Amino acid sequence: NAGVTQTPKFQVLKTGQSMTLQCAQDMNHNSMYWYRQDPGMGLRLIYYSASEGTTDKGEVPNGYNVSRLNKREFSLRLESAAPSQTSVYFCASSDPPTYEQYFGPGTRLTVT
Amino acid sequence: AQKITQTQPGMFVQEKEAVTLDCTYDTSDQSYGLFWYKQPSSGEMIFLIYQGSYDEQNATEGRYSLNFQKARKSANLVISASQLGDSAMYFCAMRELNDYKLSFGAGTTVTVRA
Repeated sequence: NAGVTQTPKFQVLKTGQSMTLQCAQDMNHNSMYWYRQDPGMGLRLIYYSASEGTTDKGEVPNGYNVSRLNKREFSLRLESAAPSQTSVYFCASSDPPTYEQYFGPGTRLTVT
Repeated sequence: AQKITQTQPGMFVQEKEAVTLDCTYDTSDQSYGLFWYKQPSSGEMIFLIYQGSYDEQNATEGRYSLNFQKARKSANLVISASQLGDSAMYFCAMRELNDYKLSFGAGTTVTVRA
Protein backbone atom coordinates (compact mmCIF):
# COMPACT_ATOMS: atom_id res chain seq x y z
CA ASN A 1 0.00 0.00 0.00
CA ALA A 2 2.04 2.95 -1.30
CA GLY A 3 -0.46 5.70 -0.40
CA VAL A 4 0.16 8.77 -2.58
CA THR A 5 3.08 8.67 -5.00
CA GLN A 6 4.53 11.53 -7.04
CA THR A 7 6.99 11.64 -9.89
CA PRO A 8 9.51 13.06 -10.37
CA LYS A 9 11.05 13.88 -6.97
CA PHE A 10 13.27 16.63 -8.38
CA GLN A 11 13.18 18.60 -11.62
CA VAL A 12 15.08 21.53 -13.08
CA LEU A 13 13.49 23.40 -15.98
CA LYS A 14 14.50 26.35 -18.07
CA THR A 15 12.08 29.25 -18.41
CA GLY A 16 9.50 28.46 -21.07
CA GLN A 17 9.83 24.68 -20.90
CA SER A 18 6.84 22.51 -20.12
CA MET A 19 6.43 19.50 -17.90
CA THR A 20 3.83 17.32 -16.21
CA LEU A 21 3.92 16.27 -12.57
CA GLN A 22 2.34 12.91 -11.99
CA CYS A 23 0.38 11.83 -8.93
CA ALA A 24 -1.30 8.52 -8.12
CA GLN A 25 -3.08 7.19 -5.04
CA ASP A 26 -4.03 3.64 -4.15
CA MET A 27 -6.46 4.43 -1.30
CA ASN A 28 -9.53 4.61 -3.58
CA HIS A 29 -10.09 8.22 -2.56
CA ASN A 30 -12.50 10.35 -4.53
CA SER A 31 -10.85 13.75 -3.99
CA MET A 32 -7.37 14.80 -5.06
CA TYR A 33 -5.42 18.04 -4.73
CA TRP A 34 -2.33 19.88 -5.90
CA TYR A 35 -0.55 22.34 -3.61
CA ARG A 36 2.59 24.39 -3.80
CA GLN A 37 4.76 25.28 -0.83
CA ASP A 38 7.18 28.18 -0.95
CA PRO A 39 9.91 28.77 1.66
CA GLY A 40 8.54 29.84 5.02
CA MET A 41 4.96 29.57 3.84
CA GLY A 42 2.09 27.23 4.26
CA LEU A 43 0.51 25.26 1.47
CA ARG A 44 -1.45 27.01 -1.23
CA LEU A 45 -4.00 25.10 -3.26
CA ILE A 46 -3.47 25.16 -7.01
CA TYR A 47 -6.25 22.87 -8.28
CA TYR A 48 -8.38 20.14 -6.87
CA SER A 49 -10.64 17.39 -8.11
CA ALA A 50 -13.61 16.55 -5.92
CA SER A 51 -14.30 13.38 -7.87
CA GLU A 52 -13.33 11.64 -11.08
CA GLY A 53 -14.26 13.81 -14.03
CA THR A 54 -14.29 17.13 -12.17
CA THR A 55 -11.59 19.72 -11.55
CA ASP A 56 -11.73 23.14 -9.93
CA LYS A 57 -9.37 26.04 -9.45
CA GLY A 58 -7.84 26.69 -6.08
CA GLU A 59 -6.12 29.75 -4.71
CA VAL A 60 -3.23 30.01 -7.21
CA PRO A 61 -4.21 28.32 -10.52
CA ASN A 62 -2.54 30.71 -13.00
CA GLY A 63 0.12 29.04 -15.12
CA TYR A 64 -1.09 25.50 -14.38
CA ASN A 65 -3.48 22.96 -15.83
CA VAL A 66 -4.64 19.65 -14.42
CA SER A 67 -6.07 16.37 -15.64
CA ARG A 68 -7.94 13.84 -13.55
CA LEU A 69 -7.04 10.86 -15.70
CA ASN A 70 -9.02 8.33 -13.67
CA LYS A 71 -9.89 7.82 -10.02
CA ARG A 72 -6.27 7.05 -9.13
CA GLU A 73 -4.34 9.66 -11.09
CA PHE A 74 -4.25 13.44 -11.05
CA SER A 75 -1.58 15.26 -13.07
CA LEU A 76 -0.40 18.88 -12.96
CA ARG A 77 0.98 20.52 -16.09
CA LEU A 78 3.13 23.61 -16.44
CA GLU A 79 2.82 24.73 -20.06
CA SER A 80 5.49 27.44 -19.99
CA ALA A 81 7.49 27.38 -16.78
CA ALA A 82 8.47 30.63 -15.08
CA PRO A 83 10.98 31.25 -12.25
CA SER A 84 8.01 32.19 -10.02
CA GLN A 85 6.92 28.55 -10.25
CA THR A 86 10.03 27.38 -8.43
CA SER A 87 8.51 25.59 -5.46
CA VAL A 88 7.80 22.26 -3.81
CA TYR A 89 4.65 20.66 -5.19
CA PHE A 90 2.53 18.29 -3.15
CA CYS A 91 -0.27 16.06 -4.28
CA ALA A 92 -2.85 14.84 -1.76
CA SER A 93 -6.01 12.76 -1.63
CA SER A 94 -8.94 12.47 0.76
CA ASP A 95 -12.34 10.91 1.32
CA PRO A 96 -15.35 11.41 3.55
CA PRO A 97 -16.33 11.64 6.29
CA THR A 98 -13.52 13.76 7.69
CA TYR A 99 -11.58 14.51 4.49
CA GLU A 100 -8.18 14.41 6.18
CA GLN A 101 -5.70 14.66 3.37
CA TYR A 102 -2.88 12.23 2.76
CA PHE A 103 0.11 13.69 0.99
CA GLY A 104 2.68 12.46 -1.45
CA PRO A 105 6.39 13.02 -0.83
CA GLY A 106 6.53 16.17 -2.95
CA THR A 107 8.31 17.31 -6.10
CA ARG A 108 11.02 19.95 -5.78
CA LEU A 109 10.91 22.05 -8.96
CA THR A 110 13.45 24.69 -9.90
CA VAL A 111 12.89 26.96 -12.89
CA THR A 112 15.97 28.87 -14.06
CA ALA B 1 -9.37 37.10 4.95
CA GLN B 2 -7.04 34.65 6.61
CA LYS B 3 -8.99 31.60 7.70
CA ILE B 4 -6.26 30.03 9.81
CA THR B 5 -3.85 32.00 11.96
CA GLN B 6 -0.78 30.56 13.61
CA THR B 7 0.92 33.38 15.50
CA GLN B 8 4.05 31.54 16.67
CA PRO B 9 6.59 31.30 13.86
CA GLY B 10 9.05 29.32 15.99
CA MET B 11 9.28 27.70 19.41
CA PHE B 12 11.88 25.94 21.48
CA VAL B 13 10.96 23.21 23.96
CA GLN B 14 13.02 21.07 26.28
CA GLU B 15 12.92 17.33 25.74
CA LYS B 16 10.23 15.60 27.84
CA GLU B 17 8.30 18.83 28.36
CA ALA B 18 4.90 19.63 26.87
CA VAL B 19 4.41 22.29 24.20
CA THR B 20 1.27 24.06 23.00
CA LEU B 21 0.96 25.34 19.45
CA ASP B 22 -1.64 28.02 18.89
CA CYS B 23 -4.18 28.02 16.09
CA THR B 24 -7.17 30.29 15.63
CA TYR B 25 -9.64 30.03 12.78
CA ASP B 26 -12.31 32.08 11.14
CA THR B 27 -15.52 30.62 9.76
CA SER B 28 -19.22 31.36 9.81
CA ASP B 29 -20.09 27.72 9.26
CA GLN B 30 -21.43 25.68 12.15
CA SER B 31 -20.02 22.45 10.75
CA TYR B 32 -16.31 22.28 10.04
CA GLY B 33 -13.23 20.18 10.70
CA LEU B 34 -9.84 21.10 12.09
CA PHE B 35 -6.61 19.28 11.36
CA TRP B 36 -2.97 19.35 12.39
CA TYR B 37 -0.11 18.21 10.20
CA LYS B 38 3.59 17.72 10.90
CA GLN B 39 6.30 18.44 8.34
CA PRO B 40 9.76 17.23 9.41
CA SER B 41 12.91 18.48 7.73
CA SER B 42 12.66 15.59 5.27
CA GLY B 43 9.67 17.41 3.79
CA GLU B 44 6.75 15.00 3.92
CA MET B 45 3.38 16.11 5.33
CA ILE B 46 2.10 13.82 8.07
CA PHE B 47 -1.50 13.94 9.31
CA LEU B 48 -1.58 14.06 13.12
CA ILE B 49 -5.06 14.70 14.48
CA TYR B 50 -8.61 15.73 13.56
CA GLN B 51 -11.35 17.55 15.47
CA GLY B 52 -14.91 17.95 14.21
CA SER B 53 -16.84 21.04 15.24
CA TYR B 54 -19.60 18.91 16.76
CA ASP B 55 -17.25 16.60 18.64
CA GLU B 56 -17.91 17.10 22.33
CA GLN B 57 -14.59 15.79 23.49
CA ASN B 58 -11.16 17.04 22.58
CA ALA B 59 -9.39 14.76 20.12
CA THR B 60 -6.35 12.80 21.28
CA GLU B 61 -3.88 10.64 19.37
CA GLY B 62 -1.08 9.26 21.48
CA ARG B 63 1.03 12.20 22.68
CA TYR B 64 -1.00 14.66 20.60
CA SER B 65 -4.15 16.31 21.86
CA LEU B 66 -6.22 19.11 20.42
CA ASN B 67 -7.46 21.76 22.84
CA PHE B 68 -10.66 22.81 21.08
CA GLN B 69 -12.36 25.99 22.32
CA LYS B 70 -15.24 26.59 19.97
CA ALA B 71 -16.41 29.92 21.37
CA ARG B 72 -12.90 31.34 21.07
CA LYS B 73 -12.41 29.68 17.65
CA SER B 74 -9.16 28.14 18.72
CA ALA B 75 -7.75 24.67 18.10
CA ASN B 76 -4.41 24.44 19.85
CA LEU B 77 -2.21 21.38 19.49
CA VAL B 78 -0.59 20.03 22.64
CA ILE B 79 2.37 17.71 22.32
CA SER B 80 3.15 15.99 25.62
CA ALA B 81 6.55 14.59 26.64
CA SER B 82 8.39 16.13 23.67
CA GLN B 83 10.95 14.02 21.86
CA LEU B 84 13.81 15.06 19.60
CA GLY B 85 11.88 13.58 16.69
CA ASP B 86 9.10 16.11 17.29
CA SER B 87 11.32 18.86 15.85
CA ALA B 88 9.40 19.90 12.74
CA MET B 89 7.05 22.45 11.22
CA TYR B 90 3.44 22.07 12.33
CA PHE B 91 0.48 23.24 10.29
CA CYS B 92 -3.09 23.84 11.40
CA ALA B 93 -5.81 23.47 8.74
CA MET B 94 -9.57 23.74 8.45
CA ARG B 95 -12.27 22.32 6.18
CA GLU B 96 -15.59 24.13 6.07
CA LEU B 97 -19.04 22.65 5.47
CA ASN B 98 -19.63 21.26 1.99
CA ASP B 99 -16.05 22.00 0.99
CA TYR B 100 -13.44 19.47 -0.07
CA LYS B 101 -10.54 21.84 0.40
CA LEU B 102 -8.37 22.56 3.41
CA SER B 103 -7.14 26.02 4.32
CA PHE B 104 -3.70 25.94 5.93
CA GLY B 105 -2.01 28.28 8.36
CA ALA B 106 1.55 29.51 7.84
CA GLY B 107 2.96 26.97 10.29
CA THR B 108 4.96 26.91 13.51
CA THR B 109 8.48 25.54 13.71
CA VAL B 110 9.17 23.51 16.85
CA THR B 111 12.71 22.72 17.91
CA VAL B 112 13.16 20.22 20.72
CA ARG B 113 16.34 20.64 22.75
CA ALA B 114 18.06 17.75 24.53
